[in-house]
Amino acid sequence: KAGVTQTPRYLIKTRGQQVTLSCSPISGHRSVSWYQQTPGQGLQFLFEYFSETQRNKGNFPGRFSGRQFSNSRSEMNVSTLELGDSALYLCASSLTTRRADTQYFGPGTRLTVL
Amino acid sequence: KNEVEQSPQNLTAQEGEFITINCSYSVGISALHWLQQHPGGGIVSLFMLSSGKKKHGRLIATINIQEKHSSLHITASHPRDSAVYICAPGSNTGNQFYFGTGTSLTVIP
Repeated sequence: KAGVTQTPRYLIKTRGQQVTLSCSPISGHRSVSWYQQTPGQGLQFLFEYFSETQRNKGNFPGRFSGRQFSNSRSEMNVSTLELGDSALYLCASSLTTRRADTQYFGPGTRLTVL
Repeated sequence: KNEVEQSPQNLTAQEGEFITINCSYSVGISALHWLQQHPGGGIVSLFMLSSGKKKHGRLIATINIQEKHSSLHITASHPRDSAVYICAPGSNTGNQFYFGTGTSLTVIP
């Protein structure tokens, strides 16, 4: 089975721009979660989608949004980029939203905001 | 507030040493995962625990639900074990994962 894929792998943007990141889960997985990882804050949960519905949301401003398509692929969008949004953005897929399910992580998208 | 505390933050060991990484959490959980992250960013899930103990090769993970504490042990450590290890309790209320700050392990040959 192919693993979780994320595109693009690297991205450079300037403040005020917006960005869209994509995540393709493992075939058959219906849950996709997004995480932000920075050196200062570590891994932080952004949101989780299951069957095209947002099931959980972390403590991030409304500039961070996402969606999931009928094929379980997911996108996340960050509008009005700030310098502090520079981070590694990881998505993970799992079969369901049960916390006991193994999460399979993608390689991440490294976003740099200048 | 920190829902998850991991220790130590950094650890250097000689090849062959027995290693222990600790994780304490304050949230109620349905499961706890241990993750491994190698340089370059890739994260792999090592264990899922809801009770007791699990063993995969040289890795052993334990959890004490009453004390809200989990440990990851590596026996006969090897340089390829060098990575960041992250504790991730899955909350049974908000149904999200919380994450420890990670333990950076370096195993010297």
